[in-house]
Amino acid sequence: GAVVSQHPSWVICKSGTSVKIECRSLDFQATTMFWYRQFPKQSLMLMATSNEGSKATYEQGVEKDKFLINHASLTLSTLTVTSAHPEDSSFYICSASSLALSYNEQFFGPGTRLTVL
Amino acid sequence: ILNVEQSPQSLHVQEGDSTNFTCSFPSSNFYALHWYRWETAKSPEALFVMTLNGDEKKKGRISATLNTKEGYSYLYIKGSQPEDSATYLCASYTGTASKLTFGTGTRLQVTL
Repeated sequence: GAVVSQHPSWVICKSGTSVKIECRSLDFQATTMFWYRQFPKQSLMLMATSNEGSKATYEQGVEKDKFLINHASLTLSTLTVTSAHPEDSSFYICSASSLALSYNEQFFGPGTRLTVL
Repeated sequence: ILNVEQSPQSLHVQEGDSTNFTCSFPSSNFYALHWYRWETAKSPEALFVMTLNGDEKKKGRISATLNTKEGYSYLYIKGSQPEDSATYLCASYTGTASKLTFGTGTRLQVTL
């Protein structure tokens, strides 16, 4: 399968600061990237879908001004958690897909553990 | 069923045991069912994408079946090994949602 990297793997920040998480597809062109969040003992929940060169589509209940997503190239998408608060502490994971894949097949990064103090 | 549900939540087996777990999903507007294996500190690894009712897929000692009419899939592991220890996730893809909806996973631990 394709390789997707994510950086950083973990981050600790103070309340009120912003944190940027990068997601890169290393060996294929990702026309679509997805950002998920997972709280303890819960399932992966889709936050937003981004297509290269266009604005992200956010799921209901996800604040687009708080979770800024940029997908400027076919290999890179970033998620910026702005003015982070302790309730934003969670596990964030990205995935990548392309038009060549069927049935929404996605390749995942290893995730980022965010802790907001 | 409205959500994707997996059972059991966790499972502890001895090396050599065969095991199976269940994924239940909404059967309406069904397109595909995905299985992933997720080892700690690694990326979820795609195991199977299943689309047809009655489909059965196999990858080494791991196999999966699909019943789209009643909305369930079974994942089987034959002769479990310690390296099979991971969380196994299933996710359904429907035409209605146009996104993957994940279950909470089954955490498998295989000991010597």
